[in-house]
Parts: sequence; C-alpha cells; structure tokens
Amino acid sequence: SQQGEEDPQALSIQEGENATMNCSYKTSINNLQWYRQNSGRGLVHLILIRSNEREKHSGRLRVTLDTSKKSSSLLITASRAADTASYFCAADNTDKLIFGTGTRLQVFP
Amino acid sequence: DTGVSQDPRHKITKRGQNVTFRCDPISEHNRLYWYRQTLGQGPEFLTYFQNEAQLEKSRLLSDRFSAERPKGSFSTLEIQRTEQGDSAMYLCVVPQFTTNVLTFGAGSRLTVL
Repeated sequence: SQQGEEDPQALSIQEGENATMNCSYKTSINNLQWYRQNSGRGLVHLILIRSNEREKHSGRLRVTLDTSKKSSSLLITASRAADTASYFCAADNTDKLIFGTGTRLQVFP
Repeated sequence: DTGVSQDPRHKITKRGQNVTFRCDPISEHNRLYWYRQTLGQGPEFLTYFQNEAQLEKSRLLSDRFSAERPKGSFSTLEIQRTEQGDSAMYLCVVPQFTTNVLTFGAGSRLTVL
C-alpha cells in the first residue's frame, strides 16, 4: 500500500493538554499537508508545509517536517474538546496526495 | 458548501448491480481526483483527471471500475458488478489552483448488500 502511517492510531487527552501526532510517508514530496475529519464529515485542510521547510506554525498548530526521515509531526497545543476528530497527514508528490491512516484524537472536557 | 457536489449522497445496492456516481465541481478545475475512504481509514487514491484526460489509475481500480470526465468539468465513477468489498465512501476532490490543497466533496456512500 502507498498509504503512509500515523502514530498513535488513537490518542485520548484532557482539555488543556498538548496532542502530538506523527506521520511517516513513503514517497518524495513537494509538500506535506494535514487534514482534519470530524465524525461523519468531510476532510478539511489544516496546514501545509513545503519540502524545504522544517517547521510551521498556525494558531495552536505546529507542524515539523524531516524529509531525510520521511516523517512529520503535528502538535496541537492547549487542546479543546472541539479538537476531537481524526487527523490525517497527506504527502503531496505533485501528481496526487497520499494519505496516512490517521490518528483519532479524543479530548475530554 | 464544499465547492464540489456529489450525487447520490448514499446508494444502497445489491451485490452484482452496477452503480454510477457523479461529481460536479462548482468552479473550473483542471484536475479532479477520486478517492475512496472506508471506516477508520484515510482516503485512498483511485484515479485523477487533467481536464478530460485520465492520467493515473490506482491498482485499487479493478477493471470493474471506470471513470470519465468527458468535457473536463463533471466526472462520473461507475462500478460494475458490485461486491461487498466495494462498500465505502467515494470522494470527489479538486485542488486549489496554486497549491495541491484539496477541497473534498461530501462524498457518495456506497453500501453493497
């Protein structure tokens, strides 16, 4: 399978804690993207990091990229119950995006 | 409004029947992708079009699957002789022009009994 892998598969935390998700991919990339999917809903784009970038911030999101290890991480700081969702990384090899298997995040109030 | 309209939203069919899904992007997009998502998994790439040309097909797309984009606007995905393993959400996706950030349609959920 071309799909990337994400770790952990599931993560449960309390509100206010930080959540870290890791992603490994298999192809060479133009950029790496993260998407969020609420239960029963479509995927929504969160953040994009280009292959020549190592770190990027957007609000409470921090993404890192290590192209030598073909890995990325997504950090959500000061989590909220509304952050409960599945999070997917997607490796963009210019032709298409290859998605990871996802991390299911549960944030308890 | 996701910018991509898919129809039908839910299709229940018996094994062996044929089904067709349609995707209508609201605005013009050179590229159009089809993905499939099963419960608890990430979207899996099926195929994509550059205008009306189908440029790549995944190995997931057996010969029972066919996709078209006849005028480079809307697209159809047909599954012949459906099998229970075809049950999934079929997603039509278009990229933003300057990046490959994707806009997902709401999807067409297929249930094969």
